[in-house]
Amino acid sequence: GAVVSQHPSWVICKSGTSVKIECRSLDFQATTMFWYRQFPKQSLMLMATSNEGSKATYEQGVEKDKFLINHASLTLSTLTVTSAHPEDSSFYICSAPDTQNTEAFFGQGTRLTVV
Amino acid sequence: AQSVTQLDSQVPVFEEAPVELRCNYSSSVSVYLFWYVQYPNQGLQLLLKYLSGSTLVKGINGFEAEFNKSQTSFHLRKPSVHISDTAEYFCAVSERGGGFKTIFGAGTRLFVKA
Repeated sequence: GAVVSQHPSWVICKSGTSVKIECRSLDFQATTMFWYRQFPKQSLMLMATSNEGSKATYEQGVEKDKFLINHASLTLSTLTVTSAHPEDSSFYICSAPDTQNTEAFFGQGTRLTVV
Repeated sequence: AQSVTQLDSQVPVFEEAPVELRCNYSSSVSVYLFWYVQYPNQGLQLLLKYLSGSTLVKGINGFEAEFNKSQTSFHLRKPSVHISDTAEYFCAVSERGGGFKTIFGAGTRLFVKA
């Protein structure tokens, strides 16, 4: 099946700094990608829809100025957590539907720890 | 809008016993249905999906699920579990034609005991 690669797989950063997470579709193009957040022992919550060539669509309660999303090309979306705080520590996962739209493929996730 | 309810937060079961993980969904439009498994500190792995056609769907690792439209359910079953099946299982839906924007249930922790 199609592959979605997420980088880095884990990152530790200091409070107040920014962290960028990349999501790439390796063997297909994705005009849309999705970003999810998962707190420990909880489910995945959709944060935003990343759209190539236009602004991202954020879910209610997600701060768009804090979680910057850029869909730079048909194979790359980035999520930047700005001015990170310890409460932003979480597991972030992206997904992208394949070109035939039979399913969404998920990246392996990024564990963010803010200290 | 869609929502997913996983009726059991934890399911303990002995090895080689059968198991059913329950999932109900709510939607005003037609949906696709999925079951994912997540091992500790890892991403998601698709177990199976229902897009259309036969309501009994077979997936990987011996799992299967049955789509019941009248009961809006998509329960996951396995006739004989292994220790290695211990993991978190998520039921999920996405709207048909919605680009696979996926809504997840709260998850069910399957714990297989020896």
